[in-house]
Amino acid sequence: DIQMTQSPSSLSASVGDRVTITCRASQSISSYLNWYQQKPGKAPKLLMYAASSLQSGVPSRFSGSGSGADFTLTISSLQPEDIATYYCQQSYSTPLTFGGGTKVEIK
Amino acid sequence: QVQLQQSGPGLLKPSQTLSLTCAISGDSVSSNSAAWNWIRQSPSRGLEWLGRTYYRSKWYNDYAVSMKSRVTINPDTSKNQFSLQLNSVTPEDTAVYYCARAVYGGYSSFDYWGQGTLVTVSS
Repeated sequence: DIQMTQSPSSLSASVGDRVTITCRASQSISSYLNWYQQKPGKAPKLLMYAASSLQSGVPSRFSGSGSGADFTLTISSLQPEDIATYYCQQSYSTPLTFGGGTKVEIK
Repeated sequence: QVQLQQSGPGLLKPSQTLSLTCAISGDSVSSNSAAWNWIRQSPSRGLEWLGRTYYRSKWYNDYAVSMKSRVTINPDTSKNQFSLQLNSVTPEDTAVYYCARAVYGGYSSFDYWGQGTLVTVSS
């Protein structure tokens, strides 16, 4: 199984800050990396697919980069509505696996 | 607009069978470009993919190896839905269960999700 490791597990930042979350795969997954945002009591919501493609309707302050085994999700200017837990997920091979999540809070 | 509506019981006793259904609107379970997945989430195990069913001229299934002996995912073309069966549940199967669509044009990302069903296993 491909293990997905996210860091940090939580972070606190101010409104307007640039926030970066990293995700590392235990082997190369090309660009088969997706990012999700989950708010309490809700299903995860797709933000980015194929490492750097923005899902329709997602604000442009979200961006993704990386390929191979190392990936980054960036929020260019943190907004109050971005408070959530973020997950990466590899779709390179089954079993499809998720990272452990990064909880983003407002300072 | 694709919508996934989950149904099924939320409370089970150990050794019983978990059965959930995901009704699809706005797409077809027989689509040649989608796969229909079950995912669960618990505080101890995080997000865990259980398996999927998809149609590519014939039906295919993939399952997580850890679940393979207990899990079955079936399409129902007459009702445009798919189902999850998990046998011999234990308290460790307590989780929120989600159905989700993966589309192959989007690198198999999960672009639509059901509302989630909290399943509690307790005697």
